Amino acid sequence: GPKVLQIPSHQIIDMGQMVTLNCDPVSNHLYFYWYKQILGQQMEFLVNFYNGKVMEKSKLFKDQFSVERPDGSYFTLKIQPTALEDSAVYFCASSRTAETLYFGSGTRLTVL
Amino acid sequence: AQSVTQPDARVTVSEGASLQLRCKYSYSGTPYLFWYVQYPRQGLQLLLKYYSGDPVVQGVNGFEAEFIKSNSSFHLRKASVHWSDSAVYFCAVSATSNNRIFFGDGTQLVVKP
Repeated sequence: GPKVLQIPSHQIIDMGQMVTLNCDPVSNHLYFYWYKQILGQQMEFLVNFYNGKVMEKSKLFKDQFSVERPDGSYFTLKIQPTALEDSAVYFCASSRTAETLYFGSGTRLTVL
Repeated sequence: AQSVTQPDARVTVSEGASLQLRCKYSYSGTPYLFWYVQYPRQGLQLLLKYYSGDPVVQGVNGFEAEFIKSNSSFHLRKASVHWSDSAVYFCAVSATSNNRIFFGDGTQLVVKP
């Protein structure tokens, strides 16, 4: 099936630093999403993105978070500055029609 | 707003036994319903989805789910489980009017040999 690639699979950084998580979505998909999962718990919606704009974001999407997809390349989630509570696995997803989401394998972020 | 309840955090069954994982949703309109599976250290993979039509939908690997509107349920079933089915299963719901999918807390399935 369609593959969403996430780079890197693991990232360890010091609190206060900036981190960028990269997502290579399925090539003809137009809708992009970030979800956060802590310790194998519930997948929590962060943000969705379409046509170069954020469509909806949750209260978990703090001011320190930003997303973009410059020139059709990677869809990125940037956290600046990071905090301890940002440690989690971040999943990217993409969709052609906003109905069925295809997920990447996640990036495990550890903030020390 | 939509929400999903998966009442069982963990289900243990023996290999070869039948399986039902429960899911109830809350949404006033006609929902889009999904079941996803998550294997260790992997992302979610779509098992099946329901939009309309036949309320019993077939998915991959012998899974099926039945949409019962009167009960607001979308339980997942499998006639005979295999040890490789051990994973976390997430039920999800979305509305046709927006692009946000709400996930349940997940049910950890353990299949004993």
